[in-house]
Amino acid sequence: KNEVEQSPQNLTAQEGEFITINCSYSVGISALHWLQQHPGGGIVSLFMLSSGKKKHGRLIATINIQEKHSSLHITASHPRDSAVYICAAYGGSQGNLIFGKGTKLSVKP
Amino acid sequence: DAMVIQNPRYQVTQFGKPVTLSCSQTLNHNVMYWYQQKSSQAPKLLFHYYDKDFNNEADTPDNFQSRRPNTSFCFLDIRSPGLGDAAMYLCATSRDGAGGRYEQYFGPGTRLTVT
Repeated sequence: KNEVEQSPQNLTAQEGEFITINCSYSVGISALHWLQQHPGGGIVSLFMLSSGKKKHGRLIATINIQEKHSSLHITASHPRDSAVYICAAYGGSQGNLIFGKGTKLSVKP
Repeated sequence: DAMVIQNPRYQVTQFGKPVTLSCSQTLNHNVMYWYQQKSSQAPKLLFHYYDKDFNNEADTPDNFQSRRPNTSFCFLDIRSPGLGDAAMYLCATSRDGAGGRYEQYFGPGTRLTVT
């Protein structure tokens, strides 16, 4: 079992829909990252959070440390949001990022 | 302004022919990482530099080497590429503290094809 699990694996939405991507982790963490990867490869860091909630534009990330769960929300989705969204957990000490397998989002016009 | 630059964006090499991928950064970050990402898989950390200190992941093949001549540049050398080494190679940097304690800034990646 992967230490970082994402769901769903694939998600298709209509433009304008509210989208939620979930991430559960089994390790103790000190930080959780949400990353966006567009076709062609480049990765952009969206959020790094260790508690509570962060918001940037139409993107919102939340984390519940007790439940070991984080969500990424996209409001008023747009076709340009189509990408792979990756959750990655940092366990602390000398550990490295533990990546989820990603959620492939496709937003149709 | 590009902050983490990778060259080339696409690289084709022959089986067994050494290849070098390049990464540079304008962020003056202490830590530089190299990841390998195969199709539909999560990135896999190969190694990282904390300043000049090199940290190799235990399962990184000996075929992969890295050099960091100064703060700004880091190179990935594949001594004898095999077909299984075809992948996207991602360079990333972080301000301080290796791992995930700080936000990582990724380059656009170099897609390596081995023929």
